[in-house]
Amino acid sequence: DADVTQTPRNRITKTGKRIMLECSQTKGHDRMYWYRQDPGLGLRLIYYSFDVKDINKGEISDGYSVSRQAQAKFSLSLESAIPNQTALYFCATSDFSNQETQYFGPGTRLLVL
Amino acid sequence: AQKVTQAQTEISVVEKEDVTLDCVYETRDTTYYLFWYKQPPSGELVFLIRRNSFDEQNEISGRYSWNFQKSTSSFNFTITASQVVDSAVYFCALSDMEYGNKLVFGAGTILRVKS
Repeated sequence: DADVTQTPRNRITKTGKRIMLECSQTKGHDRMYWYRQDPGLGLRLIYYSFDVKDINKGEISDGYSVSRQAQAKFSLSLESAIPNQTALYFCATSDFSNQETQYFGPGTRLLVL
Repeated sequence: AQKVTQAQTEISVVEKEDVTLDCVYETRDTTYYLFWYKQPPSGELVFLIRRNSFDEQNEISGRYSWNFQKSTSSFNFTITASQVVDSAVYFCALSDMEYGNKLVFGAGTILRVKS
């Protein structure tokens, strides 16, 4: 089984809808991250969490919110989706003991119509 | 602010050719990590290597090798005797050590290896 899972893998939604992307990990890492990937821009950090009680904004947090329900779960919400949020979204985890190398989930392709 | 530049948007080579992917970074931090990730056509991100700023030794892993030069702020990646399976997007990334691992990615280089 994969260490970092993301659900759904693909999602099509309409402008104005609220959607949630979920991430779960079995690696036992304390740190979790959400990134989005756009063509030609690489990956950009949306939010990150160093433990259950710690949530921090990344480079592009506007229009997004997150919830760290447990050490192993970190959800990303789009409160009111808009077309320019169409992207590939990745969850990642890391741990201090492994010199903070980040391991990524398989990604969620989101299309906002 | 930290920045990673991968000036090569796309590279095409013929199988068995050697290819070097360039990565130049900017940071004010004295301690940091550098990474390379591979994104094959299936879309996942695969970790390839981590290098910390204290260690400028080059590294070789099979057909892959990395050249880290602090003097030029570069962390280049060479694939020797390229294969079709090397076709992917390759990302270079940078993180600081003080504030946890907030990765800053380059835009990526698309590598196409033709048979």
